[in-house]
Amino acid sequence: AQSVTQLDSQVPVFEEAPVELRCNYSSSVSVYLFWYVQYPNQGLQLLLKYLSGSTLVKGINGFEAEFNKSQTSFHLRKPSVHISDTAEYFCAVSYTGNQFYFGTGTSLTVIP
Amino acid sequence: DVKVTQSSRYLVKRTGEKVFLECVQDMDHENMFWYRQDPGLGLRLIYFSYDVKMKEKGDIPEGYSVSREKKERFSLILESASTNQTSMYLCASSPLGQGAVDSGNTIYFGEGSWLTVV
Repeated sequence: AQSVTQLDSQVPVFEEAPVELRCNYSSSVSVYLFWYVQYPNQGLQLLLKYLSGSTLVKGINGFEAEFNKSQTSFHLRKPSVHISDTAEYFCAVSYTGNQFYFGTGTSLTVIP
Repeated sequence: DVKVTQSSRYLVKRTGEKVFLECVQDMDHENMFWYRQDPGLGLRLIYFSYDVKMKEKGDIPEGYSVSREKKERFSLILESASTNQTSMYLCASSPLGQGAVDSGNTIYFGEGSWLTVV
């Protein structure tokens, strides 16, 4: 079965510090990879996606992610976080473009 | 902008009641999904649909059914609500993907419906 693993369920980080949220997926075949953010009491919003091409993908709000095929990883990074980045972050993978598999989420808390 | 609208944000229902959660998307997407979100479990797929009147079971279909009579509307039905169905329900849509030739398929979510069964 296809799966997505988010290694950290909770990540606390001080304001203006860098952060990395980790994501690994189970298959080595061609994939589409996504990061979504969920603010309290809201649905999921797309942060960034990898479809093909450059392995470094830039998204909204200063986030970026790097696709590493050999390690089947797609880690999300931000060099300097803000209080407003406090949210739940989900990694997702799609193989056909019709079904999407989500990780269990990482709760990012930015500490003032 | 793609818009996925869930008709009810917050509902409280009694055990045994029949519950309808409605979802409408405005982008003519072929695919529609219903997920359930619980703490520590992430998003779990209940049902999805590739076309009108078509449905496929996801990972946790037990206790749920769906209806897709029109392309833009996908309803989730709890025939007899139980307390273990208290959760956040997320509807989503996406255009039809074509695998390797696809150039930008993305899934779009509604705001979510918080259901409490008492």
